[in-house]
Amino acid sequence: DVKVTQSSRYLVKRTGEKVFLECVQDMDHENMFWYRQDPGLGLRLIYFSYDVKMKEKGDIPEGYSVSREKKERFSLILESASTNQTSMYLCATNAGTDTHGYTFGSGTRLTVV
Amino acid sequence: AQSVAQPEDQVNVAEGNPLTVKCTYSVSGNPYLFWYVQYPNRGLQFLLKYITGDNLVKGSYGFEAEFNKSQTSFHLKKPSALVSDSALYFCAVRLYNFNKFYFGSGTKLNVKP
Repeated sequence: DVKVTQSSRYLVKRTGEKVFLECVQDMDHENMFWYRQDPGLGLRLIYFSYDVKMKEKGDIPEGYSVSREKKERFSLILESASTNQTSMYLCATNAGTDTHGYTFGSGTRLTVV
Repeated sequence: AQSVAQPEDQVNVAEGNPLTVKCTYSVSGNPYLFWYVQYPNRGLQFLLKYITGDNLVKGSYGFEAEFNKSQTSFHLKKPSALVSDSALYFCAVRLYNFNKFYFGSGTKLNVKP
């Protein structure tokens, strides 16, 4: 089975801090995605990547950046954390063929105080 | 614009009764349709998908879903609910040859003993 690992389950950071959320997958999938999940809003796509050193903006990229230096690792960066970035962050991967769904990590619940 | 609607924030059902969680979509092109389930403080898990063929698809844990092209719906069903089915359910759509998913806002299923 594909395993998608997010380094932290719970994280508390202060306003203005630079925050790194890490996601690692072990199945050589080309595609990786970062979503945030908020009650009543479902999942919203922040950034995604189809290949190493490649990134594309999703629907809500403001206040975030990403890094993909290696195929297995996709990092989400909050340049200067704000309280409205308190959320559940979910990493997902897939193999890139049309019929495949996502495999998700367990999520990181980030609280910005 | 592509969109997925889950019209019910919450569905309550008694154990042993049939359940339905509704999903409708609005997309341009041929959709691939998915259902995911999320247990508390966890990532999303794949339940089932419709790609092509028979409109009734069967998935994990006894769930099934019916694709209705004319009504642009993909409702999730189970003949007999279990308390352990209580969770958050997400409908998602992916367009053919386009590796991006659109998620509904989620429906919380409560199954009472």
